Amino acid sequence: QQQVKQSPQSLIVQKGGIPIINCAYENTAFDYFPWYQQFPGKGPALLIAIRPDVSEKKEGRFTISFNKSAKQFSLHIMDSQPGDSATYFCAASRDYKLSFGAGTTVTVRA
Amino acid sequence: DGGITQSPKYLFRKEGQNVTLSCEQNLNHDAMYWYRQDPGQGLRLIYYSQIVNDFQKGDIAEGYSVSREKKESFPLTVTSAQKNPTAFYLCASSIRAGRYEQYFGPGTRLTVT
Repeated sequence: QQQVKQSPQSLIVQKGGIPIINCAYENTAFDYFPWYQQFPGKGPALLIAIRPDVSEKKEGRFTISFNKSAKQFSLHIMDSQPGDSATYFCAASRDYKLSFGAGTTVTVRA
Repeated sequence: DGGITQSPKYLFRKEGQNVTLSCEQNLNHDAMYWYRQDPGQGLRLIYYSQIVNDFQKGDIAEGYSVSREKKESFPLTVTSAQKNPTAFYLCASSIRAGRYEQYFGPGTRLTVT
């Protein structure tokens, strides 16, 4: 049973578009919500993370929006580039463990 | 270069054989983790270790075993008891247990036929 539900499974955007990936959770004991980026054949790498008492965090072209009352958070990729094409995983941290969403494969067309 | 090394990148085994996947880190991290990645299921935690000579079962530990005799090494054995061993296996580490920032290795793709 997945503790973090992620959607969509995949999406395609044109260069400059804004792909949006959504995640939802139930367990209010989670204390951090990181996003990881994975390129084919590689291990994931931390992209950005947010605490549940913050509503938005930006790092470069990546923005996390967090809605604590709805228990949802999302990743926006501003001005997306072909190099952003990858699989993105949301996650939630608690008790020494990370629970990952199923992943979203983003394709940015030139 | 600091990082996590996993070897080999591809591994093939016959059904019924045990196989050990290697994971080494030179980041001086206390905590290490093993994940299994299957299409459409994200990463699932197999085992984790907070410190040398200690390890805990994750969500899908059945059919797997680990050891943590050295800080830099955390090998995973996939036993013949694991019903569906074919998968992409990822090793990770963090400065200490409980940190959301984990550093991942390049992974080992295991195929069992």
